[in-house]
Amino acid sequence: GNSVTQMEGPVTLSEEAFLTINCTYTATGYPSLFWYVQYPGEGLQLLLKATKADDKGSNKGFEATYRKETTSFHLEKGSVQVSDSAVYFCALLIKAAGNKLTFGGGTRVLVKP
Amino acid sequence: DGGITQSPKYLFRKEGQNVTLSCEQNLNHDAMYWYRQDPGQGLRLIYYSQIVNDFQKGDIAEGYSVSREKKESFPLTVTSAQKNPTAFYLCASSDRLSGNYNEQFFGPGTRLTVL
Repeated sequence: GNSVTQMEGPVTLSEEAFLTINCTYTATGYPSLFWYVQYPGEGLQLLLKATKADDKGSNKGFEATYRKETTSFHLEKGSVQVSDSAVYFCALLIKAAGNKLTFGGGTRVLVKP
Repeated sequence: DGGITQSPKYLFRKEGQNVTLSCEQNLNHDAMYWYRQDPGQGLRLIYYSQIVNDFQKGDIAEGYSVSREKKESFPLTVTSAQKNPTAFYLCASSDRLSGNYNEQFFGPGTRLTVL
């Protein structure tokens, strides 16, 4: 089956620190990969995506590269801000599987001033 | 503005009651989804619908029911058969014809608490 594994949180950082959230996946087909962000009390927002191997998704200073050889899609940001405090979800989607997203468990990030 | 709305934001239910959560989208998306999120956990798929008048069970459909009579609406009923309904419920939609990926857009969620 399909699954997504991401590092457990919480991850606590100081402002301007470097952030990495690891995400690896198992898929029975060729997935598209996503990172979603959830701010407290809100729904999920798409942060970035990649649809094929070696694609790099980027948005708001966040980046993630689709690595097929390591089945990974790690999220990085060079200098975090307090406003980046949220829960981050890695997810995969396989079109042939009814367009259903498979989510990781989420990683809570807390950035302190 | 296009988007997805969910109502109510907070919902309280007594044990043994059925409740219905609303989800409406004006994005003209074909597909709609319901997820459940428990504290500290990821999202689990309850039901999804790829076209009007058709829907399929997700991974945790027991105790829930849905309908898809209109393209823009996908209400979720939490029945008394759902043994542990307290959770955060998220609705999403996607356009299954757009490109080779189908990102999902999420509503703001409904927090259901059983008293």
